[in-house]
Amino acid sequence: EAQVTQNPRYLITVTGKKLTVTCSQNMNHEYMSWYRQDPGLGLRQIYYSMNVEVTDKGDVPEGYKVSRKEKRNFPLILESPSPNQTSLYFCASSRGQGAQINEQFFGPGTRLTVL
Amino acid sequence: ILNVEQSPQSLHVQEGDSTNFTCSFPSSNFYALHWYRWETAKSPEALFVMTLNGDEKKKGRISATLNTKEGYSYLYIKGSQPEDSATYLCASADYNTDKLIFGTGTRLQVFP
Repeated sequence: EAQVTQNPRYLITVTGKKLTVTCSQNMNHEYMSWYRQDPGLGLRQIYYSMNVEVTDKGDVPEGYKVSRKEKRNFPLILESPSPNQTSLYFCASSRGQGAQINEQFFGPGTRLTVL
Repeated sequence: ILNVEQSPQSLHVQEGDSTNFTCSFPSSNFYALHWYRWETAKSPEALFVMTLNGDEKKKGRISATLNTKEGYSYLYIKGSQPEDSATYLCASADYNTDKLIFGTGTRLQVFP
């Protein structure tokens, strides 16, 4: 089954404790992206990657890191989480090297709470 | 940064009613407009991706139109059913970036 998976689905952590949210897709998509969803705001892009070893900042990259060492995986790293990073996070992937004209396939979401 | 706006924020309709909502986006440098359906506790799923002015797309009882010159798209649901209850997101892309800018969504609730 074609899908995007994320782990963990739920996480409660404390300020400053490094964490990684994994994202993997099995559709051989070039483009992968991380979004965060906060009440009253649209999905906001954190980082994106157009292909292996190519990553770029989205609209809200502060406090996050990513890597793209393999085509299928795109982990999101919070080196020192803070309470303002409490949010619902989605990973997404699409064909091609841009998100503009290809539909995005979203993962199930990760609900993160930073105390 | 593009500004994508959706209206209304929320909508309550009776089963069988037809409904529509709006997505407004900057028309300059337009490249594509996406619609996604997002059910509670699930992930957003693509409905349509449209690129051409005057484009109309249909999937079952749901259809969408696109006006790139004036910068808006309409999503129509004919004969709403309770299973149509969801948040409907639109997102716009322009030529100058590799990303989508999402609106805040229209939350639809259909009562039996």
